[in-house]
Amino acid sequence: EADIYQTPRYLVIGTGKKITLECSQTMGHDKMYWYQQDPGMELHLIHYSYGVNSTEKGDLSSESTVSRIRTEHFPLTLESARPSHTSQYLCASSRDSNYGYTFGSGTRLTVV
Amino acid sequence: AQTVTQSQPEMSVQEAETVTLSCTYDTSESDYYLFWYKQPPSRQMILVIRQEAYKQQNATENRFSVNFQKAAKSFSLKISDSQLGDAAMYFCAYNRYNNDMRFGAGTRLTVKP
Repeated sequence: EADIYQTPRYLVIGTGKKITLECSQTMGHDKMYWYQQDPGMELHLIHYSYGVNSTEKGDLSSESTVSRIRTEHFPLTLESARPSHTSQYLCASSRDSNYGYTFGSGTRLTVV
Repeated sequence: AQTVTQSQPEMSVQEAETVTLSCTYDTSESDYYLFWYKQPPSRQMILVIRQEAYKQQNATENRFSVNFQKAAKSFSLKISDSQLGDAAMYFCAYNRYNNDMRFGAGTRLTVKP
């Protein structure tokens, strides 16, 4: 059973809307990550956090923003959604990345 | 920068047969960790197996085993007695000590009944 939860699983939204993708974990992990993945394709790191009030941009430039006010919560926000944002967004966490990441089930976003 | 290469975009295997997925990586480090992740269609990505670079012994988890060749920077995954439930995208990943993980582009495995 997953200890990291992403909501919603699927989202279809109109261009220009503001959206927040939720990610929460109950494992007390300090490190959390957001990846963007087109279906069946490679993962691209867009944001990460090593703890409360710590956020960094990843390798792939993204118009999204993140916040980390609580250890367990790492939401991702798009201020104005565009069709180019259509993708799957995966959240992950780790206590010690040497032992791997725990992934959420993902949010599949479609912007029309 | 460390890179991970999976040269097989797609592989297929007959049920009950054995298949090997390839992965190579580039690093100048001596201490690192390697992983294989499985992502079934529309389902959560899960960790399949993990290898510590300082251990010469190849990791094994039930039907899954790796062939770790440190000098060649190769880390292949062998799936024995393939089952229909093994059908998924498989991602190879590299992690230098407590740094962020680098993923390969993935290999889509199809299992034929």
